Amino acid sequence: GENVEQHPSTLSVQEGDSAVIKCTYSDSASNYFPWYKQELGKGPQLIIDIRSNVGEKKDQRIAVTLNKTAKHFSLHITETQPEDSAVYFCAVVSNTGNQFYFGTGTSLTVIP
Amino acid sequence: EAEVAQSPRYKITEKSQAVAFWCDPISGHATLYWYRQILGQGPELLVQFQDESVVDDSQLPKDRFSAERLKGVDSTLKIQPAELGDSAMYLCASSWERGITGELFFGEGSRLTVL
Repeated sequence: GENVEQHPSTLSVQEGDSAVIKCTYSDSASNYFPWYKQELGKGPQLIIDIRSNVGEKKDQRIAVTLNKTAKHFSLHITETQPEDSAVYFCAVVSNTGNQFYFGTGTSLTVIP
Repeated sequence: EAEVAQSPRYKITEKSQAVAFWCDPISGHATLYWYRQILGQGPELLVQFQDESVVDDSQLPKDRFSAERLKGVDSTLKIQPAELGDSAMYLCASSWERGITGELFFGEGSRLTVL
């Protein structure tokens, strides 16, 4: 199966600064790369996703970049706010089936 | 806004007892997933349904876990007997797209504690 590595496991930033989380994967057949935000006691929620035919996607303060050659993709959050504090998971999905492989998560803390 | 419904939200049980979790996906969603999430880790797939059929249950410990989605709508995940290592959050998710990877919608989860 797919091997997804996510770094860092914890990240603390000052409010207003940027945060970057990176994931690497192993299966070159993977073609869908979503990012989920999970708040305490809740299920994960999709915040942004990217498909293999584009290199970057942006939605307000959140962006995702994809390097298919190097098999890594990153989540970028700019102008961080305290409400961005949560656990963030990357996921990788292969074009051979709707199987989502999740990273181990990054606990982001935004310090006011 | 349509949501994936799960119950119970919390369950405390003793080892060797039977436990059941229920999930009602968003109406019209063909694909349903059960994930297990251990504290501090990412969700791990237990079973995936396409309508009423099992697509992938390779990671489901079949000696004690079972899952069904009889009419292709709601689903039940059962553990019998529960073991200490089963303590985790059990997440249900659904997706409406068939054959094309689409957004996964998660429920709030069922947190299981086995004593």
